[in-house]
Formats: sequence, C-alpha cells, structure tokens
Amino acid sequence: KAGVTQTPRYLIKTRGQQVTLSCSPISGHRSVSWYQQTPGQGLQFLFEYFSETQRNKGNFPGRFSGRQFSNSRSEMNVSTLELGDSALYLCASSPIGLAGAYNEQFFGPGTRLTVL
Amino acid sequence: TQLLEQSPQFLSIQEGENLTVYCNSSSVFSSLQWYRQEPGEGPVLLVTVVTGGEVKKLKRLTFQFGDARKDSSLHITAAQPGDTGLYLCAGAQAAGNKLTFGGGTRVLVKP
Repeated sequence: KAGVTQTPRYLIKTRGQQVTLSCSPISGHRSVSWYQQTPGQGLQFLFEYFSETQRNKGNFPGRFSGRQFSNSRSEMNVSTLELGDSALYLCASSPIGLAGAYNEQFFGPGTRLTVL
Repeated sequence: TQLLEQSPQFLSIQEGENLTVYCNSSSVFSSLQWYRQEPGEGPVLLVTVVTGGEVKKLKRLTFQFGDARKDSSLHITAAQPGDTGLYLCAGAQAAGNKLTFGGGTRVLVKP
C-alpha cells in the first residue's frame, strides 16, 4: 500500500504571496490532518478534515486554511505569507474517522516551505 | 492547554549503551504514540499504547504507558547507530485525531 504523499516537497516563496500544498492519504484513509513543524515550536496541529469537513482546528490565524475532496485528498493554503511561516508542513492520514482511542496517524514526508 | 514534556532534549551515547526517553503530561490521553523522525522526513510511527500500565516491545525498544495514562517512556537496549534520530511522543484525546506532540528527544548513537 502506498504511503502518504505530499507535493511539492520543496517550495520557495516571498512574503505576501500565497501557497497551496497537496496531500494524498493512504488508500482507504478518510481523515487527513495537517501539522506545522519548526525548530522553535516543534510539531503543531493545524487542522483535521474528515469527509470533506473540518473537524478540528489548531491555534493558527485565518491565513491558514484547508479543504478535503471527495476522494479524501486534501490541500492546505496559506495566504499573505510571512517569514515565520517557513516550516516543514506535514500531512498525516488516519484510518479512524470517528472519535476513538486508536488515533494512529501516518505521516507523509512533508513539504519544506521557505519564505524569503 | 495540554502539554507533553519530553526529557532529555538531547542524548548522545556510545553504541551498545542503553537509553531511556521520558514523556510526561498533566493531562490524560486516550492513546499515546511514539515516532522517530529523520532529518527532512516525516515522523514514522513506532508504536501506539492505549491501556494504562501497558508495555510494548519492538525488538530492542520497550514502550510503557503510565498507569494514569499521563506519561510514557521509551527504553532502547544496546543502542545502534541506526537508532539515531528525533524521537517524538504524541498524545491523542478521544475527540478526533488531533495529536499533541512533545518537544522531541534528539538521540545520537556513536559507533
């Protein structure tokens, strides 16, 4: 079974631009979550999508948004980029869509975003 | 705010030595996961523990979940250079798939 794929792997943008990152979950997984990883803050939860609906949201400004398609693929968008948005953006998929104890998540390789 | 604190932040040992990484919180988690991450890659799931007091073994790695489901530990026996990496613990509560991550422990095993 193919793992979680993320595109692109690397991206360089300038301040004020916007960016869209893509994630394809493991086949059959319906929950997709996004995380931001930086050296200073570590891994922080952005949001989770299940059945095309945002189910959970972290403490990030409204510039960060996402969506999920009917085939479970997900995209996240960051508008009006700031230098502090430079990070590794990770997508994780989970086979469990309902609230439950076994929230195993499987991560993709990430997209390295650099904002100049 | 749920916080997971990992200790130590960095560990450098010689091949063949043992090491233990700790993950502590004041919150109760329904499950706790351990990951290892290589530079520039995503975290790779090592194990999930769900029952208080649970102990799981994965070859030379032993994972324990505290009785109160607030803390966990990872013990590596006879560490090898291939064990080098960033070890992350992550807790989940019952509502959805939001993971709270610890700050990570960077392990370096020197040959």
